[in-house]
Amino acid sequence: QSALTQPPSVSGSPGQSVTISCTGTSSDVGHFHPVSWYQQPPGTAPKLIIYEVNNRPSGVPDRFSGSNSGNTASLTISGLQPEDEADYYCSSYTTTSTLVFGGGTKLTVL
Amino acid sequence: QMQLQESGPGLLRSSDTLSLTCAVSGYSINSNYWWGWIRQPPGKGLEWMGYIFHTGSAFYNPSLQSRVTMSVRKSENHFSLTVTSVTAMDTAMYYCARSQCTSAGCYVDNWGQGTLVTVSS
Repeated sequence: QSALTQPPSVSGSPGQSVTISCTGTSSDVGHFHPVSWYQQPPGTAPKLIIYEVNNRPSGVPDRFSGSNSGNTASLTISGLQPEDEADYYCSSYTTTSTLVFGGGTKLTVL
Repeated sequence: QMQLQESGPGLLRSSDTLSLTCAVSGYSINSNYWWGWIRQPPGKGLEWMGYIFHTGSAFYNPSLQSRVTMSVRKSENHFSLTVTSVTAMDTAMYYCARSQCTSAGCYVDNWGQGTLVTVSS
C-alpha cells in the first residue's frame, strides 16, 4: 500500500485559514472510507484531531474541520494560532482492512 | 483515563529481533478496540505497522508482514510487537496505539508516548 499524498509544507499568518490536502486512491480515501487527521507538535506523540471526515474529539477546537471529495480529503484550520504549528498527518482505512498514513505536512505559523 | 505505555530495549544490533510490549492501564484490552503499533523514523513520517484484536485476529502492513508478529496477553492487559531480522532501517520511535473501528472504517484514538529503538550495524 502506498502512503497518502500530502503537501510537505504549508504556512499562514495568525488569524488566517490554511487547508491541507490528502490524496489517496480508490482503495482507501476514494472507497468511501472516512479520513482521520492527527496533529504532532515537535517532540510529542500524535494526537487525533478529526475522525470520520469531520468529527472532533472532546477538547479539539472547532477551528479544525475536515471534508472529503472523491479521492481527496482536506483539513482546514481557521483562525490560525501560534500553537497550531505542528506536523499534520491524514490516515485512511483501506479495502484490505489495514490503515495507511499520509507523508505528513509541516504547518508553519508566520 | 486510559494510558498506553511502551517498554523494551532501546538499542539493538542488525539481525536481532525487536520485541516491545505495550501496557494498557485504565481500560480492558478485552474490549471492542484494535491494539496496534505505528512507527516513525527520525525526521520522517508515520508508518502503520498493524493491529490486533483481543481474539488474536490481526492485520499487518503488507510491506512488513513477513517480519512482524503481534500478540495479546489478556491476563496481563498488554499486547506485544515482534520484528525479526532488524536493520538500520528499523530505527524509529515506536508508538503503541488503540484503534476504534466502525462500519465505515478505523482510526487511531489513543497513542502511547513512544519508545525510541535504535539499530546499530
